[in-house]
Amino acid sequence: EADIYQTPRYLVIGTGKKITLECSQTMGHDKMYWYQQDPGMELHLIHYSYGVNSTEKGDLSSESTVSRIRTEHFPLTLESARPSHTSQYLCASSADRVINTEAFFGQGTRLTVV
Amino acid sequence: QKEVEQNSGPLSVPEGAIASLNCTYSDRGSQSFFWYRQYSGKSPELIMSIYSNGDKEDGRFTAQLNKASQYVSLLIRDSQPSDSATYLCAVNFGGYQKVTFGIGTKLQVIP
Repeated sequence: EADIYQTPRYLVIGTGKKITLECSQTMGHDKMYWYQQDPGMELHLIHYSYGVNSTEKGDLSSESTVSRIRTEHFPLTLESARPSHTSQYLCASSADRVINTEAFFGQGTRLTVV
Repeated sequence: QKEVEQNSGPLSVPEGAIASLNCTYSDRGSQSFFWYRQYSGKSPELIMSIYSNGDKEDGRFTAQLNKASQYVSLLIRDSQPSDSATYLCAVNFGGYQKVTFGIGTKLQVIP
């Protein structure tokens, strides 16, 4: 079983609020990812990190920001939530080696902005 | 831009049949290849990984890799209604590159 955790699992919040979605992994993985996924739709990569203090934007433009101060922790922040941010957010991590490089996913955070 | 391509489906097969899912990738130097299954509302879960040319079998699942053709496939034998899900192909291009996912193929197994 993958050791990657996301909190909260569900969040309903009002427009304009600041939110932080937490993601932690205990596998020592260098690479971490944030994906956004609407129901029935494909995964969209919004942020990627390949190590401490390294982050880059993903394929889908997002108003969220991320930080990677510790290897195990990769939080995502929305400064001012809007209804258009309503979606499922999935965090994942993978190792930087030759084999066993599959990505492991957390259980996701389902965000609803009202 | 390194790409992973899949047909979005849906692919419908009768119960007990073989389901064949296909994926192509753009970078000939790719090192690792994965198949994930994602049920509606759930996170993707790894079902197969393959690193070298040929076939790899695990129960009812067989992954096939052809690096020369840049092609990876997943066969599901004796398909069951519980196999109905979206199947995601993923490729690790190596080094600092991220694991990249295809859009996924939706599989429907008809009882």
